[in-house]
Amino acid sequence: QSVLTQPPSTSGTPGQRVTISCSGSSSNIGSNYVYWYQQLPGTAPKLLIYRNDQRPSGVPDRFSGSKSGTSASLAISGLRSEDEADYYCAAWDDSVSAWVFGGGTKLTVL
Amino acid sequence: QLQLQESGPGLLKPSETLPLTCTVSGGSISGTGYNWAWIRQPPGKGLEWIGSFYYDGGTHSSLSLKSRVTISADTSKSQFSLKLSSVTAADTAVYYCARHYGGSSGIGFEYWGQGTLVTVSS
Repeated sequence: QSVLTQPPSTSGTPGQRVTISCSGSSSNIGSNYVYWYQQLPGTAPKLLIYRNDQRPSGVPDRFSGSKSGTSASLAISGLRSEDEADYYCAAWDDSVSAWVFGGGTKLTVL
Repeated sequence: QLQLQESGPGLLKPSETLPLTCTVSGGSISGTGYNWAWIRQPPGKGLEWIGSFYYDGGTHSSLSLKSRVTISADTSKSQFSLKLSSVTAADTAVYYCARHYGGSSGIGFEYWGQGTLVTVSS
């Protein structure tokens, strides 16, 4: 049981916009930044979004993050086949003094 | 470009101690704000933070693993290490090392190793 809650799966067609939600609590998302990671099959996770809505250099602007209260979202616009991956949200949790992750959302591009 | 590489035994027996090392190349592991973490992923499951070695020499581990975890660093070798004692089958996972900058309000785990699969089986 993950501290942050994500839908197990989602899907979309090429060109479509999809969003992935991440729900937490006041001790994690509610009081700290949210991070998003993309994990392509068989590879290590890659930082996609930091501090709620910031993109590291090299991450396309098709990826965007937002946060409101104790929830956050990752949006992917102009969906491409190479976006098919697992996506994880993360945040620091003050109550357990630890980094916590969501269970991951598997994105399928139909 | 910073690169991280995990190394260690791929197979252990229950009750043994898992020793893992992360070798960092293309940069120093010293430096204000740079912290070094261990994260694991059981087969087919999600990510779990194990603990971190901080730039000021401090360490911090997940409460659930704290009693079994030792994290240290050897700056002269650009390496940091994890020891996980009394392993069980539940510790079977891909273990990643990663760098994060700026702590809990920083820029996240920006560099990752490729991961190493550790299997615990009798």
